[in-house]
Amino acid sequence: GQQVMQIPQYQHVQEGEDFTTYCNSSTTLSNIQWYKQRPGGHPVFLIQLVKSGEVKKQKRLTFQFGEAKKNSSLHITATQTTDVGTYFCAGPFSGTYKYIFGTGTRLKVLA
Amino acid sequence: GAVVSQHPSRVICKSGTSVKIECRSLDFQATTMFWYRQFPKQSLMLMATSNEGSKATYEQGVEKDKFLINHASLTLSTLTVTSAHPEDSSFYICSARDPRGLEEDNEQFFGPGTRLTVL
Repeated sequence: GQQVMQIPQYQHVQEGEDFTTYCNSSTTLSNIQWYKQRPGGHPVFLIQLVKSGEVKKQKRLTFQFGEAKKNSSLHITATQTTDVGTYFCAGPFSGTYKYIFGTGTRLKVLA
Repeated sequence: GAVVSQHPSRVICKSGTSVKIECRSLDFQATTMFWYRQFPKQSLMLMATSNEGSKATYEQGVEKDKFLINHASLTLSTLTVTSAHPEDSSFYICSARDPRGLEEDNEQFFGPGTRLTVL
């Protein structure tokens, strides 16, 4: 079945260091979404990428959708303690509004 | 953005009892809502798609007789965990897509979640 994997599973960084999480789908995706879940909280939508090779930026966050539309990445520049949480990518089941979530990358930022 | 609420936020129940969780879209009508389950330190697993006015669609491996879903109105979906057992203890989250958005805008708005503990 359709799978969405993320690496790494965990990442500890010193405040100010950069962070990247990678998302890989077993199937081609029409779009990919990224969510952030703070400890004890619920997922919050960050962004959606649709086009092959698309790159979008939100302040210190840079999102990229691969050319083959099977992988994506989220890069955070100069992490802050407020970046702590788990980052999930999510891809849709073909032709539906249902989304399958990636395995997630848990980020800890050490002050 | 659109707001989705869930009630209760936490529930503790005895094994064998049933628990109902409500998911409401507060400022929009949602013909479709999604129910997820999340075990500690794991990802969100889609359980079912709740369709207003029709039967829910369950994902493979999810028992429809155990997890009853009712979507009686455009703003309310309920998930009832029947005859709950300790292994059902989890974080249950609902989400909905705001249909007022663009067709290509598939942002899901999540409720705050319900933490179920079955003793």
